[in-house]
Amino acid sequence: GAGVSQSPRYKVTKRGQDVALRCDPISGHVSLYWYRQALGQGPEFLTYFNYEAQQDKSGLPNDRFSAERPEGSISTLTIQRTEQRDSAMYRCASKNGQGGRETQYFGPGTRLLVL
Amino acid sequence: GNSVTQMEGPVTLSEEAFLTINCTYTATGYPSLFWYVQYPGEGLQLLLKATKADDKGSNKGFEATYRKETTSFHLEKGSVQVSDSAVYFCALIIQGAQKLVFGQGTRLTINP
Repeated sequence: GAGVSQSPRYKVTKRGQDVALRCDPISGHVSLYWYRQALGQGPEFLTYFNYEAQQDKSGLPNDRFSAERPEGSISTLTIQRTEQRDSAMYRCASKNGQGGRETQYFGPGTRLLVL
Repeated sequence: GNSVTQMEGPVTLSEEAFLTINCTYTATGYPSLFWYVQYPGEGLQLLLKATKADDKGSNKGFEATYRKETTSFHLEKGSVQVSDSAVYFCALIIQGAQKLVFGQGTRLTINP
């Protein structure tokens, strides 16, 4: 496809379950980012990759959150033992180069609701 | 630290009105500045950007000028349309860094 895609678009899960959120970046884009957006707030950085290497995971809130990009394309954000406070919109973005000022292109997001 | 503060919403205007959404920032380094827009049911889209002081970004009739002296990047449009109804996010990225820092967003509603 032409843009960044994310799946699922909506996920409802029960507290304590694990969830995996998928991001398929624009073909050929080197860098991939994950952000989390609480209701009524702007997105907040979680982690990013250049190719398959995770470069910065300083925004991951705790060790229940992890991300991977094993082949330098599709990425998965995994949340273990979900809690109600994990409910948010999870956004993925990709970028062509490694320069910071280049445009990040966002996907439609995955809305996660933890009951 | 690095932060972005936006004008609180929601903002409601009539069609053809003049729009300003204020954005100010605090940055430890030299930032590039962005406005992203989220239309109903869609993802975030880049609206415009400016990478150095006094640059003006523009797109779809919207403009914003990078003002280093006032640490601001206010979004303006001379005549808004109903189709401009959306949530607008101001953001920055520090030179050499990778993560965007967003404001809290401003919801704009344009009435016919």
